[in-house]
Amino acid sequence: KAGVTQTPRYLIKTRGQQVTLSCSPISGHRSVSWYQQTPGQGLQFLFEYFSETQRNKGNFPGRFSGRQFSNSRSEMNVSTLELGDSALYLCASSLGTGTENSPLHFGNGTRLTVT
Amino acid sequence: AQSVTQLDSHVSVSEGTPVLLRCNYSSSYSPSLFWYVQHPNKGLQLLLKYTSAATLVKGINGFEAEFKKSETSFHLTKPSAHMSDAAEYFCVASPRAGKSTFGDGTTLTVKP
Repeated sequence: KAGVTQTPRYLIKTRGQQVTLSCSPISGHRSVSWYQQTPGQGLQFLFEYFSETQRNKGNFPGRFSGRQFSNSRSEMNVSTLELGDSALYLCASSLGTGTENSPLHFGNGTRLTVT
Repeated sequence: AQSVTQLDSHVSVSEGTPVLLRCNYSSSYSPSLFWYVQHPNKGLQLLLKYTSAATLVKGINGFEAEFKKSETSFHLTKPSAHMSDAAEYFCVASPRAGKSTFGDGTTLTVKP
């Protein structure tokens, strides 16, 4: 089974621009979660999608948004980029139905640098 | 509500010596508990998981963890550290529904 795939692997953007990151989950997984990882703040939860609906949301401004498609693939978008948005963005997928203790499976992340 | 506390932000051991990474959790129910490892610029990889079937859980690469309800702990151990074990380790609590709670991570350094 293919693992979680995140594209692109690296991205360099300028302040004020917007960016879209993509995540393809493991086949059969319906839940996709997004995390921001920085040296100062550690791992922070952004949001989780399940069956095309946002099920949970972290404490991030509205500039951060996401969506999930019918094939469970997910995208996250960051608008009006700030220097502080530079981070490793991790996507994780799981079965997500809540009836089993399904672990998260992570992609290798997208390294976003904002200059 | 649940919380996860990793008691050490950094642990340094010599190659061949035991590893102990400590994790305490707080929850109003019995969550599933996981340990993940992250190597530089990579995603998190599942090491092992506890889901109430057995209190001693064996994972990959020789790691194991013991769930102690009375101490609300889920410490990760390995009898003999290898250089390739150097990485960051995360303890995670997950409810049946809802978002997972991550510890702040423990950086393991292995000295030759």
